[in-house]
Amino acid sequence: KNEVEQSPQNLTAQEGEFITINCSYSVGISALHWLQQHPGGGIVSLFMLSSGKKKHGRLIATINIQEKHSSLHITASHPRDSAVYICAGLLSYNTDKLIFGTGTRLQVFP
Amino acid sequence: DADVTQTPRNRITKTGKRIMLECSQTKGHDRMYWYRQDPGLGLRLIYYSFDVKDINKGEISDGYSVSRQAQAKFSLSLESAIPNQTALYFCATSGGRPYGYTFGSGTRLTVV
Repeated sequence: KNEVEQSPQNLTAQEGEFITINCSYSVGISALHWLQQHPGGGIVSLFMLSSGKKKHGRLIATINIQEKHSSLHITASHPRDSAVYICAGLLSYNTDKLIFGTGTRLQVFP
Repeated sequence: DADVTQTPRNRITKTGKRIMLECSQTKGHDRMYWYRQDPGLGLRLIYYSFDVKDINKGEISDGYSVSRQAQAKFSLSLESAIPNQTALYFCATSGGRPYGYTFGSGTRLTVV
């Protein structure tokens, strides 16, 4: 069993739909990253959060430390949001080592 | 220019060959990392470095070596490439809290 689990693995949506991607972890972490990987392969950091909620444009990330769970929400989804979304736990601020989920592949159709 | 630059972007090499993947950064971060991504698996840590004299093995370092030539440069070498090292390789830097991570664009390596 992976120490960082994401669900769903694949997600298809129509443009405009509200999207939720979930991440659960079983190890102690100092913070959690949400990353976006486009078809070309490059990875972009979307959020790093250790408590509560962060918002950037149409993206919202929340984390519940007690329940060891985080969610990434996309409001008013658009085809350009199509990508793989990866959550990664920061094991320690001393090392900044990350432990990764396997990703959620999102396709948004017009 | 990208903050973290990886070269080459794509490489096909033969089994047994030595190959070097290069990474340079303009973020001014001390911490640099090499990760490997395989289909269906999360990224896994190969090596990481906190400065030129501080190199550490990650969870899958066997078959790999690294060199931190300067604060800005961190190279990954496969001494004798084998087909199961075919993967997408990422270099990343970290500025620590609250700056987070910056990833390179990746190097797609195929060993035939």
